[in-house]
Amino acid sequence: GAVVSQHPSWVICKSGTSVKIECRSLDFQATTMFWYRQFPKQSLMLMATSNEGSKATYEQGVEKDKFLINHASLTLSTLTVTSAHPEDSSFYICSEGRGVGYTFGSGTRLTVV
Amino acid sequence: DAKTTQPPSMDCAEGRAANLPCNHSTISGNEYVYWYRQIHSQGPQYIIHGLKNNETNEMASLIITEDRKSSTLILPHATLRDTAVYYCIVRAVISSGSARQLTFGSGTQLTVLP
Repeated sequence: GAVVSQHPSWVICKSGTSVKIECRSLDFQATTMFWYRQFPKQSLMLMATSNEGSKATYEQGVEKDKFLINHASLTLSTLTVTSAHPEDSSFYICSEGRGVGYTFGSGTRLTVV
Repeated sequence: DAKTTQPPSMDCAEGRAANLPCNHSTISGNEYVYWYRQIHSQGPQYIIHGLKNNETNEMASLIITEDRKSSTLILPHATLRDTAVYYCIVRAVISSGSARQLTFGSGTQLTVLP
């Protein structure tokens, strides 16, 4: 099956700095990637949909200038949390969007101190 | 996509079958039932999906009622590693070449007890 590699698995950063999370499709070309966020004891919430070569589509309430998504190639999508604040601390997960059973990355635990 | 209702938590003894129910009374004719699970601090994992027939794979079985208003995921011989949150998701068939996001509910926390 499809393999989606997400890095880093965890990161701690200082408030005000930016953090980049990478999501790579290792054995297929990912035209579409989904980015989710999960707060403790809550379910996954879709943040945005990224399509290769075009602008990402953000869900209502997600600031596009704060959560920058780049999907410049068919094998790499990145999410950059800019000027991170403690309230951005969460579990970020990417997912490819092809076939029947989508494959998810292993997730990135972001802690902003 | 139709709304789903799942119990918040269930326990199961190791080695026994785990039966996880899901209600989707407003499901439409073109909507599939998907099951995913999420082990703590990991990304979700696809388990199985079905339209109206019962399905089985190496991980689980999916039983869908004749009226399609509910379904049950069966893990035939639960192990400690099956402890996870299980999500039942209903979603319409997608056309070739397009992708649609999965909408996650609160799921069922399955705890397999030794």
